[in-house]
Amino acid sequence: GENVEQHPSTLSVQEGDSAVIKCTYSDSASNYFPWYKQELGKGPQLIIDIRSNVGEKKDQRIAVTLNKTAKHFSLHITETQPEDSAVYFCAANSKTSYDKVIFGPGTSLSVIP
Amino acid sequence: DTEVTQTPKHLVMGMTNKKSLKCEQHMGHRAMYWYKQKAKKPPELMFVYSYEKLSINESVPSRFSPECPNSSLLNLHLHALQPEDSALYLCASRRRGENTGELFFGEGSRLTVL
Repeated sequence: GENVEQHPSTLSVQEGDSAVIKCTYSDSASNYFPWYKQELGKGPQLIIDIRSNVGEKKDQRIAVTLNKTAKHFSLHITETQPEDSAVYFCAANSKTSYDKVIFGPGTSLSVIP
Repeated sequence: DTEVTQTPKHLVMGMTNKKSLKCEQHMGHRAMYWYKQKAKKPPELMFVYSYEKLSINESVPSRFSPECPNSSLLNLHLHALQPEDSALYLCASRRRGENTGELFFGEGSRLTVL
């Protein structure tokens, strides 16, 4: 079945620096790759996603890149702010198991003012 | 309305109790999910309903019983739970069809089993 790995598990950056989180997936049929942010006491919320027919997508300070050959995708946050501190999960969705969305283990990001 | 509403927010139950968690969405989404999340862990898929039919059961013990009475409601019936079942239970909904994408999560029901 689908397996998603994520690194690093914790990340601490100075405010204004960039943060990069990397994920790999196992199912070559995966075609949808979302990133979720979970703040304390809340449910995860989508921040950006990418489909397998696209190599890169950007939304203001957040960007995601996808390398289908290597089966990995990355989240890039630039000009980090304290409110970016949260747990970030990557996820993958396989077109052979349409409803199944599997999450990576998560990265706890701390942005130090 | 882009909300998924879960009740109750907190639930404490004994191992012999029967209780239910409820989830509601009015976005017209036809896929609804239950995830279990332990502290410092990712959401772990339990069940998926697609068009009100159970499409995925991730080998969840029978003491958890899902129900989807209609396209807006999802329940999780709990019976004879164990202390290790204490966790945050997250409901999510998702549009079904071409280019299906984002999961919309509720804030979760925090369950403590004594």
